[in-house]
Amino acid sequence: EIVLTQSPTTLSLSPGERATLSCRASQSVRSHLAWYQQKPGQAPRLLIYGASNRATGVPARFSGSGSGTDFSLTISSLEPEDFAVYYCQQRANWPPDGSFGGGTKVEIK
Amino acid sequence: QVQLQQWGAGLLKPSETLSLTCAVSGGPFSGYFWSWIRQPPGKGLEWIGEISHNGIPKYNSSLKSRVTMSVDTSKSHFSLKVISVTAADTAVYYCARGNVEGYFDWGQGALVTVSS
Repeated sequence: EIVLTQSPTTLSLSPGERATLSCRASQSVRSHLAWYQQKPGQAPRLLIYGASNRATGVPARFSGSGSGTDFSLTISSLEPEDFAVYYCQQRANWPPDGSFGGGTKVEIK
Repeated sequence: QVQLQQWGAGLLKPSETLSLTCAVSGGPFSGYFWSWIRQPPGKGLEWIGEISHNGIPKYNSSLKSRVTMSVDTSKSHFSLKVISVTAADTAVYYCARGNVEGYFDWGQGALVTVSS
């Protein structure tokens, strides 16, 4: 099983600041990594797929990078609606699983 | 716009079987993976597994012995069964549509509580 470790657990920032979230895989997942945003009481929303591709309708302030075992999600300038929990998910073909990281909460400072 | 509408029993007793179904509308059924993900109250997301449109499943190894997924392409439905549930299976269960890159569309979620 591939284990994804996200850091930090909580990120306290102010609107307008830059947020950088990390996701590390226990073995290479190449570029098969996705990022999701989840707000309270809502289903997760896909932000980034294939490590660096924005999903439809996702603002350009969200960007993803990385490959292999180290990935990051950057929010260039936080908007009030960006304060949420973010999860990474690996989509490697083998082993065949789609495990998620533990999440990073981005909260208002 | 693809919509996923899910339903199933919300309250179970220990040892019973959890059964959820997700109906897909507004988009094709073939060519995608159909997945189940759960989230215990206040915790993170757990991948339960996924099934292809032609019925080939992949399961989380930690749940594999208790989980069965199936598809009914004629109804654009897919289903989840988990046998022998315990309190640890209490969670919001989500169905989702995706491919090898990620899950693009999600159901609204259904809370399943296991309690005696």
